[in-house]
Amino acid sequence: QKEVEQDPGPLSVPEGAIVSLNCTYSNSAFQYFMWYRQYSRKGPELLMYTYSSGNKEDGRFTAQVDKSSKYISLFIRDSQPSDSATYLCASGAMDTGRRALTFGSGTRLQVQP
Amino acid sequence: DTEVTQTPKHLVMGMTNKKSLKCEQHMGHRAMYWYKQKAKKPPELMFVYSYEKLSINESVPSRFSPECPNSSLLNLHLHALQPEDSALYLCASSQDGGRRYNEQFFGPGTRLTVL
Repeated sequence: QKEVEQDPGPLSVPEGAIVSLNCTYSNSAFQYFMWYRQYSRKGPELLMYTYSSGNKEDGRFTAQVDKSSKYISLFIRDSQPSDSATYLCASGAMDTGRRALTFGSGTRLQVQP
Repeated sequence: DTEVTQTPKHLVMGMTNKKSLKCEQHMGHRAMYWYKQKAKKPPELMFVYSYEKLSINESVPSRFSPECPNSSLLNLHLHALQPEDSALYLCASSQDGGRRYNEQFFGPGTRLTVL
């Protein structure tokens, strides 16, 4: 079992839709949760960074973390064609000594105009 | 400024060539990383530098040789690569310490093709 599981998609939605992207994780030591957006052939861009459980909102993006169920979500409101990309969730622990992020496999999102 | 820059953007090399990838950040981050990413896969960690010292080597073959000349620069020296090493090579940086060290900022990557 992978430490971070993510549905690879592709997920296709019409412009203006609310998008829900999800990951589950198995390592109870994870306390940091990130969402990256990666356009084709580009580097990952950090969208959201959260610590422990709770919600965080930034513009059209909302990240949710539920540590009790080990579930992390990213919601995109009023989706735009420019949101079409691969979205990677990532998790990290406080002090593993590894300083490495554990990534999900990425969900490819296509927003249709 | 949350920018990590990488050069070159693209690199084509033969199996006998020696080349170097370069990464630079001016965010004052003291942790820097090299990742390798194959198509449709997540990034895989290769090396971590903390305060200019190599702290993690994820069992990477010796044909990849990292170097951290100062706190802003990170190099990856390549020698005798194989075609299967063709990938997007990503550099990242983060604060070292505190809660934010997991907040890694990535560069645009160098797309490497080994012939």
